Amino acid sequence: DAGVIQSPRHEVTEMGQEVTLRCKPISGHNSLFWYRQTMMRGLELLIYFNNNVPIDDSGMPEDRFSAKMPNASFSTLKIQPSEPRDSAVYFCASSLGTGAYGYTFGSGTRLTVV
Amino acid sequence: KQEVTQIPAALSVPEGENLVLNCSFTDSAIYNLQWFRQDPGKGLTSLLLIQSSQREQTSGRLNASLDKSSGRSTLYIAASQPGDSATYLCAVYYNNDMRFGAGTRLTVKP
Repeated sequence: DAGVIQSPRHEVTEMGQEVTLRCKPISGHNSLFWYRQTMMRGLELLIYFNNNVPIDDSGMPEDRFSAKMPNASFSTLKIQPSEPRDSAVYFCASSLGTGAYGYTFGSGTRLTVV
Repeated sequence: KQEVTQIPAALSVPEGENLVLNCSFTDSAIYNLQWFRQDPGKGLTSLLLIQSSQREQTSGRLNASLDKSSGRSTLYIAASQPGDSATYLCAVYYNNDMRFGAGTRLTVKP
């Protein structure tokens, strides 16, 4: 298995632009998590899906953030409009069940909003 | 709310030393605890996963212990090498949520 695949690896965009981050979980995993990592706040859970259904989105910072999981093999995290304070590394992770067997993380997307 | 604390925040040791990284958590009702390694600019690599019913897990030079009653876990690294230099993160899974510590940044000097 290729693991959790995220794209793009790096994204630089101008303030106000729409940004879409993509994630392909490990085949067979039925839970998917989006995290954001910054120096100041460490790793923060933004949202997680179980069986393609959003279960907890309380970590999504604002209405500018939205996430979808149209099928078991694909998820997107969208920021519209983007702001400089959104600059961070965004990680996607997947697991079997809701985490009782551990999480597998992707390599992350480093987002820079200028 | 579950809090996860890692001490020390940074650690520098000479090559060959055995070392211990600490992780503490406030709520003992956990399902499991996972130790990750993160290299600069990279993602998180899982090192060891300890289920709540287990007391320790070993992989090569790494040994992780779990004491739920005291809310503590340790990651022991034997015979450290420069290649072990990275940030080590402890994550506690409970109640459909995984909480991360801030990490310990380890530097092993040749």
